[in-house]
Amino acid sequence: EVQVVESGGGLVQPGRSLRLSCAASGFTFDDYAMHWVRQAPGKGLEWVSGISWNSGYIDYADSVKGRFTISRDNAKNSLFLQMNSLRAEDTAFYYCVKDRYGGFDSGSNWFDPWGQGTLVTVSS
Amino acid sequence: DIQMTQSPSSLSASVGDRVTITCRASQSISDYLNWYQHQPGKAPRLLIYAASSLQSGVPSRFSGSGSGTDFTLTISSLQPEDFATYYCQQSFSVPPTFGQGTKLEIK
Repeated sequence: EVQVVESGGGLVQPGRSLRLSCAASGFTFDDYAMHWVRQAPGKGLEWVSGISWNSGYIDYADSVKGRFTISRDNAKNSLFLQMNSLRAEDTAFYYCVKDRYGGFDSGSNWFDPWGQGTLVTVSS
Repeated sequence: DIQMTQSPSSLSASVGDRVTITCRASQSISDYLNWYQHQPGKAPRLLIYAASSLQSGVPSRFSGSGSGTDFTLTISSLQPEDFATYYCQQSFSVPPTFGQGTKLEIK
């Protein structure tokens, strides 16, 4: 079964850091791009960041650029999101998502499957 | 960034009803449009990709259509498990963007 499972969420104070992890199984991890998508309380889905199969192409939403860093370890079938300088508005469920392709800069891709999400709460 | 606008934002319907949700892109996106279902406490689920292709395992009562800027998701006969929030998402350009969601509630 193709599966992704997030971990690392929790309560953190504004300005502090947190690192999310995603463990992938059931597919050849290094063949696919991966993404983080979030959902703030009462809000819709927002793409946060994506990384190509070989980490050669990485992009971020403007709202997190310069504060968040996405990375992957293909040997360990794992995806990461390093979140620094956290703000209250970063409070959300964070979902790890598999792409259809190895890259995501040429369109016609989609997100499947999604993990169950990990909750990040930024509050003093 | 391409803006995606869904309508309606919420919808009340009964089991057995036919329901249509609309998604409009701020510029032409060809058929690079996907639909997802999100039930509370569960992982979002891909329903339709490339505007009209049904994802494996998704019931045939779900269908999608459209191209360019205007798209629709139709559920032909609502079932109890279909009450959820639905999102469209464009994959024409980076960053990928979602509609604001349509919450489908039981009447």
